[in-house]
Amino acid sequence: DAKTTQPNSMESNEEEPVHLPCNHSTISGTDYIHWYRQLPSQGPEYVIHGLTSNVNNRMASLAIAEDRKSSTLILHRATLRDAAVYYCILKTGANNLFFGTGTRLTVIP
Amino acid sequence: SAVISQKPSRDICQRGTSLTIQCQVDSQVTMMFWYRQQPGQSLTLIATANQGSEATYESGFVIDKFPISRPNLTFSTLTVSNMSPEDSSIYLCSVALGTYEETQYFGPGTRLLVL
Repeated sequence: DAKTTQPNSMESNEEEPVHLPCNHSTISGTDYIHWYRQLPSQGPEYVIHGLTSNVNNRMASLAIAEDRKSSTLILHRATLRDAAVYYCILKTGANNLFFGTGTRLTVIP
Repeated sequence: SAVISQKPSRDICQRGTSLTIQCQVDSQVTMMFWYRQQPGQSLTLIATANQGSEATYESGFVIDKFPISRPNLTFSTLTVSNMSPEDSSIYLCSVALGTYEETQYFGPGTRLLVL
C-alpha cells in the first residue's frame, strides 16, 4: 500500500476551520483517499473518502490536489469533540486499512 | 453503517492464560477484520476473518497465537493465547461495508492488560 505523510500534531481554536494536510506522492490511479479519526478511548470512525473530485459530507470536506499527490481534510468549525487522531489512508478496493501514525488534533477552547 | 459490539470491553489477565474476545455485528457482512493497538501506537492489522474458511493473517501474526473463528456473517472471535505482558493492547474488530465494501466500521475495542 502506498505511503502517506501527515504532521504529527496540530492545534486549532474552537469554532475555527481546520485544514489537515496529507501527502501521498506515490498514489496509484486506483487508490482512494480515506480519512478516519479516532477519538480518545474509542475505535476509529470513518470520516470521508474520495478519488479525484473534492467531496463534502456532514462531517467534513476533502480537497484533493489536481495531481492527487496531496489532499486536505477540512473541518469547517472545530469543536472540542473533534479532538482526535486523524488518519489519512490510501486504499484500493475492499482490502484492509493500513494505519500510519496520523495527526493528533488538539482543539483549544 | 453498522453497530458493532465487543465483549469483554476490558480485562486483566495473568500471563500464560488465554482470552477470547467476541465481536458481534447487527447485520450480515462479508469482511471482518481484527486489529491490535498497542499503548500509544497506531492500529496494526492482525488478520482478516473469513466466513467458512481460515483467517488470513498478516506478517508477524500466527494462528497458534491468535486463533480466529468466524462461524457466521455476524460474529467472530479472536483468542489471545498464552498471554504475556507484551500482549497488553486494545483489540478492535471492524467490518467492511458500502457498495464496494470500501468503508470500515470499528467496534469499541477490548482493552487487555496482562500481568
